[in-house]
Amino acid sequence: EAQVTQNPRYLITVTGKKLTVTCSQNMNHEYMSWYRQDPGLGLRQIYYSMNVEVTDKGDVPEGYKVSRKEKRNFPLILESPSPNQTSLYFCASSHPNEKLFFGSGTQLSVL
Amino acid sequence: KQEVTQIPAALSVPEGENLVLNCSFTDSAIYNLQWFRQDPGKGLTSLLLIQSSQREQTSGRLNASLDKSSGRSTLYIAASQPGDSATYLCAVRLTSYDKVIFGPGTSLSVIP
Repeated sequence: EAQVTQNPRYLITVTGKKLTVTCSQNMNHEYMSWYRQDPGLGLRQIYYSMNVEVTDKGDVPEGYKVSRKEKRNFPLILESPSPNQTSLYFCASSHPNEKLFFGSGTQLSVL
Repeated sequence: KQEVTQIPAALSVPEGENLVLNCSFTDSAIYNLQWFRQDPGKGLTSLLLIQSSQREQTSGRLNASLDKSSGRSTLYIAASQPGDSATYLCAVRLTSYDKVIFGPGTSLSVIP
């Protein structure tokens, strides 16, 4: 089954404790992206990647890191999480001219 | 800077009614436009994708149109059903490998 898999689904952590949210797709998509969704602010793009080893900043990249060492994986790294990074995070992927497929989301709470 | 807006923010209709959701974007130089559905606490499901060279796309009871020159897209839902209740978002892609910018969404409630 074609899918984008994010883990974990829920995560509670404390300020400053490094964490990684994983994202994997099985559709051989070149394009992958991370978004955060906040009430009243909608979906905002954090980082995106056009292919292996090629990444670029979205609209809200501060406090986040990404890497694309393999085509199927695009992890999101929070080196020192802060409470303002509490949010619902989504990973998505696609071929360049096709539909964007989303993962089920990761609800992150930073205390 | 590309901005995407959606009107109305919320809509409540009786079952069976036809309805139109609107999406506007400020820069007509888009690569494609996509409509999504999001159920509470869930991920986004793609409904329709319209390429910049196309005028409309249809899937079942859904029809999406695109007018690049005026910076508008509409999503038409025919014979609405309670199961259509969800938030509908539109998103524009600037180039094939570029940012995807989302509108704030329209929350739809279909009353039985």
